[in-house]
Amino acid sequence: DAGITQSPRHKVTETGTPVTLRCHQTENHRYMYWYRQDPGHGLRLIHYSYGVKDTDKGEVSDGYSVSRSKTEDFLLTLESATSSQTSVYFCAARVNTEAFFGQGTRLTVV
Amino acid sequence: KNEVEQSPQNLTAQEGEFITINCSYSVGISALHWLQQHPGGGIVSLFMLSSGKKKHGRLIATINIQEKHSSLHITASHPRDSAVYICAVRSPIIQGAQKLVFGQGTRLTINP
Repeated sequence: DAGITQSPRHKVTETGTPVTLRCHQTENHRYMYWYRQDPGHGLRLIHYSYGVKDTDKGEVSDGYSVSRSKTEDFLLTLESATSSQTSVYFCAARVNTEAFFGQGTRLTVV
Repeated sequence: KNEVEQSPQNLTAQEGEFITINCSYSVGISALHWLQQHPGGGIVSLFMLSSGKKKHGRLIATINIQEKHSSLHITASHPRDSAVYICAVRSPIIQGAQKLVFGQGTRLTINP
């Protein structure tokens, strides 16, 4: 897993509340990614980072923000959670040409 | 239309059968990944291909760049191979970070 840990693994939250998911890595990876996985869709890129404080949007970034203040942590924030953001979220890191994924976070917005 | 199409979407087979999962893509790529996801589990990279063929145990992956097509084969399938298999392609560089484009996955069930 290239030292990638996601937290929490499961979360239930109420509509309108902010939520932060954490991705922690121990291998000094430069490139990190947040994806969401939904039935009927492939993994879709939310945001990615190519270094500390260097982030950019992916294809489904609306309603999400990210921060990377240090190499090892890439945080995904749902500013005001909505039911459409109920999903499984995966963090990933790129090591040369290989891709490594965290175990996923199942988020339910009620 | 998805840039990466997998077929079949679902596949059920008996233990011991030879399995083939296909992936076709429409974008220019530098590499293709095959990933495995067990129920409730994380995603594990099986192969990364840019040409030809790779083999790991009972798994074989091939790619034909000209035809924009890749296949994942499983020989002597076993119930523990039951998982979702995902094809992902690496598109040209965007702002220094390469982006993966994913297929929707193939759900494989191997019955004993």
